[in-house]
Amino acid sequence: QVQLQQWGAGLLKPSETLALTCAVYGGSFSGNYWSWIRQPPGKGLEWIGEINHGGSTNYNASLRSRVIISVDTSKNQFSLRLSSVTAADTAVYYCARRVAAAYNFDSWGQGTLVTVSS
Amino acid sequence: DIQMTQSPSTLSASVGDRVTITCRASQSINNWLAWYQQIPGKAPKLLIYQASTLQSGVPSRFSGSGSGTEFNLTISSLQRDDFATYYCQHWDTFGQGTKLEIK
Repeated sequence: QVQLQQWGAGLLKPSETLALTCAVYGGSFSGNYWSWIRQPPGKGLEWIGEINHGGSTNYNASLRSRVIISVDTSKNQFSLRLSSVTAADTAVYYCARRVAAAYNFDSWGQGTLVTVSS
Repeated sequence: DIQMTQSPSTLSASVGDRVTITCRASQSINNWLAWYQQIPGKAPKLLIYQASTLQSGVPSRFSGSGSGTEFNLTISSLQRDDFATYYCQHWDTFGQGTKLEIK
């Protein structure tokens, strides 16, 4: 059973860069896509982007200019960087697994609340 | 871009009720539709994928149906643990959510 554990800074100032990492335990790191999804307080879910073990990425068009998702296969980890944050980026950020050739997310991290405030 | 629209936004029901939540896609997505349950403060949990396949470990009172542009999530007999928010999802797009409340 795959488990995802995530961590990163929870309080940022406007214009700073958000950085989160997600470690994958159990299951296969290859053959899957590893995603980041966020949820502003009291609102719905927004897909940010994903990466596979080979480093191929897909990003939400609305965030593409500010997002970098990277992978470290030696550690079974993947990371999110979101630059130039504003208060609108305040959200709970989740990492999640998408099985290749499927369109759903079957395993999720515990979530990290990131607050952007001056 | 494909839009996913859920209805209703809020649903009030009682323990033991049968309820149905609907999700409509702006164009055909065949059966590539998933449903999630989210309890406050927790990550979403996959319930159903490919429109009607129950994820391992999910109680059989949950079922999914539909194809093309219209899909349903049905809970046959509500239990207390089922009062939560439900989301549909296709690829990179989630519905806006349906909050299931106790009547």
